[in-house]
Amino acid sequence: SQELEQSPQSLIVQEGKNLTINCTSSKTLYGLYWYKQKYGEGLIFLMMLQKGGEEKSHEKITAKLDEKKQQSSLHITASQPSHAGIYLCGADGGETSGSRLTFGEGTQLTVNP
Amino acid sequence: DVKVTQSSRYLVKRTGEKVFLECVQDMDHENMFWYRQDPGLGLRLIYFSYDVKMKEKGDIPEGYSVSREKKERFSLILESASTNQTSMYLCASSQASGGHGGELFFGEGSRLTVL
Repeated sequence: SQELEQSPQSLIVQEGKNLTINCTSSKTLYGLYWYKQKYGEGLIFLMMLQKGGEEKSHEKITAKLDEKKQQSSLHITASQPSHAGIYLCGADGGETSGSRLTFGEGTQLTVNP
Repeated sequence: DVKVTQSSRYLVKRTGEKVFLECVQDMDHENMFWYRQDPGLGLRLIYFSYDVKMKEKGDIPEGYSVSREKKERFSLILESASTNQTSMYLCASSQASGGHGGELFFGEGSRLTVL
């Protein structure tokens, strides 16, 4: 089965600083999804990447998928307290996995004002 | 606005009780999923369903069952709750996409405590 490893597990930054979260897969990624979760709530979809080398941005968040499609990074520029939460990557393992996604353990982000 | 609604945000039950967690989506999605989320373990798939009356075991189905009598509703059942089932339960739905994964839409979660 596909396994996803996220790093770091937790991150504390000062407001205004940039940060990067990584997600590494044990197998080729057919689709990589980034979600954000506020404590005690459901997951909010951020972005999906499918093609090797693909990069997407939304406001101050940029996600990239490497050429080999086994690693993705999420970069936040000039972080704000509103960026705080848990960031999770989810992977589509391809046709054999159906429509299910496998998730990493998550990265807990704290942004201090 | 699309929505996945879970019936209870917080539940407290006693060991041995039967527990029902209800999930309703209003997007006419074919696929529905139940995950549980635990610190250090992330999200783990319990059961999922591709269609009415169909169900598939996920990674950790033991101690759980599901029911999907209508397309919009997917219920998770704990026949006899145990303390190790204390967790956050998340329901999700997605549109069918020819066998490949698609964006999941999540409910707000149900935090279950079993005493």
